[in-house]
Amino acid sequence: QVQLVQSGAEVKKPGASVKVSCKASGYSFTGYYIHWLRQAPGQGLEWMGWINPNSGTTRYTQQFQGRVTMTSDTSVSSAYMELSRLRSADTAVYYCATITMFRGVILPYFEYWGQGALVTVSS
Amino acid sequence: QSALTQPASVSGAPGQSITLSCTGTGRDVGGYNYVSWYQQHPGTAPKLIIYDVTNRPSGVSNRFSGSKSGDTASLTISGLQAGDEADYYCSSYTSRNTLLFGGGTKLTVL
Repeated sequence: QVQLVQSGAEVKKPGASVKVSCKASGYSFTGYYIHWLRQAPGQGLEWMGWINPNSGTTRYTQQFQGRVTMTSDTSVSSAYMELSRLRSADTAVYYCATITMFRGVILPYFEYWGQGALVTVSS
Repeated sequence: QSALTQPASVSGAPGQSITLSCTGTGRDVGGYNYVSWYQQHPGTAPKLIIYDVTNRPSGVSNRFSGSKSGDTASLTISGLQAGDEADYYCSSYTSRNTLLFGGGTKLTVL
């Protein structure tokens, strides 16, 4: 079965960086895009961007351009999201997500989600 | 980009049918058939319940149905059950090649 397992909670100071990992299993990791989203406490979902794990091609939403870096390591079937210059407004649960409906196609919805990683930014 | 507009809360009695709305613009909801809906219980990841406006993933109850008219998409839940109490989010592909979410609707089953 498809599983996405994320790294644990992190506490960071303003200005620092955080790197969240997402280990995939149960499907062909290189065949399907991984998306990253976040959800601030008590708030809605916010899409951050995607990575093609096979080619490493990425697309980030404008809001995070220059601060976010998404990478992948096919040898361990894992994707990573690094966010820099953290501020208190970045406190959120960060999710990786994917859908295995059509190989190599970017689809704008997600059937499989990681469990989420809480990132707290506080001085 | 502004978030899609969803009512903050709706409520219904067990067995009733309720409809949740999601309003966007011609650059997102109205322009593409890429509206999806997610159900989220507290402390858990969202669950996809509708994609491409009307389609249900395998395993999702047929009590959930989606539709769209113009710039507004709708999620209808029939035969309301206690387990349906959750937050519901709509999402749409946009003309900027991004994904936009609504602010979410909290469904209370009375």
